[in-house]
Amino acid sequence: GQNIDQPTEMTATEGAIVQINCTYQTSGFNGLFWYQQHAGEAPTFLSYNVLDGLEEKGRFSSFLSRSKGYSYLLLKELQMKDSASYLCAVVDSNYQLIWGAGTKLIIKP
Amino acid sequence: DGGITQSPKYLFRKEGQNVTLSCEQNLNHDAMYWYRQDPGQGLRLIYYSQIVNDFQKGDIAEGYSVSREKKESFPLTVTSAQKNPTAFYLCASNPGEIYNEQFFGPGTRLTVL
Repeated sequence: GQNIDQPTEMTATEGAIVQINCTYQTSGFNGLFWYQQHAGEAPTFLSYNVLDGLEEKGRFSSFLSRSKGYSYLLLKELQMKDSASYLCAVVDSNYQLIWGAGTKLIIKP
Repeated sequence: DGGITQSPKYLFRKEGQNVTLSCEQNLNHDAMYWYRQDPGQGLRLIYYSQIVNDFQKGDIAEGYSVSREKKESFPLTVTSAQKNPTAFYLCASNPGEIYNEQFFGPGTRLTVL
């Protein structure tokens, strides 16, 4: 079967750094997405990795290791507005997105 | 502005009634998707369509039906056969290319009383 694991919930402090991990076991791999979803709203695109390594975009970075079936999303200089769920999704061999359950990130002042 | 619209934002229905959720996109995307999201859970695929007049079942299609008569529109009907229809429903689209970034509508929260 196909499986994507993320921590259910994480808590961090405003101004700090947090790393959200995602491990996957899927039938094939054609890329990995990270999306942000605020409560009651639609997911919005954060990043896409298809090759190993780190992709940096402002305060957010995403890392991929295909050999380990592992990715992380790194959020720096946390702001209260970063309180949201972060969804990891893998593109499988049929080019379908397989979604993780998401990590709820709580930012405290 | 291009985008995806879903209406209404909130929908209430009595148990046993069918209800249709609308999804329209003006992004000229070939592929469209319907997801269901329950509290604290990820997205589960209900149906998807990669081209007009064609669609495939996703992981949880039972109790749902769709049509794709126009490229811009992909309505979802929640039938009385769906045992637990109360959920947040999200429609998405992508260009249908290998790079599979999906663009989401604002969602419809359906509550069945």
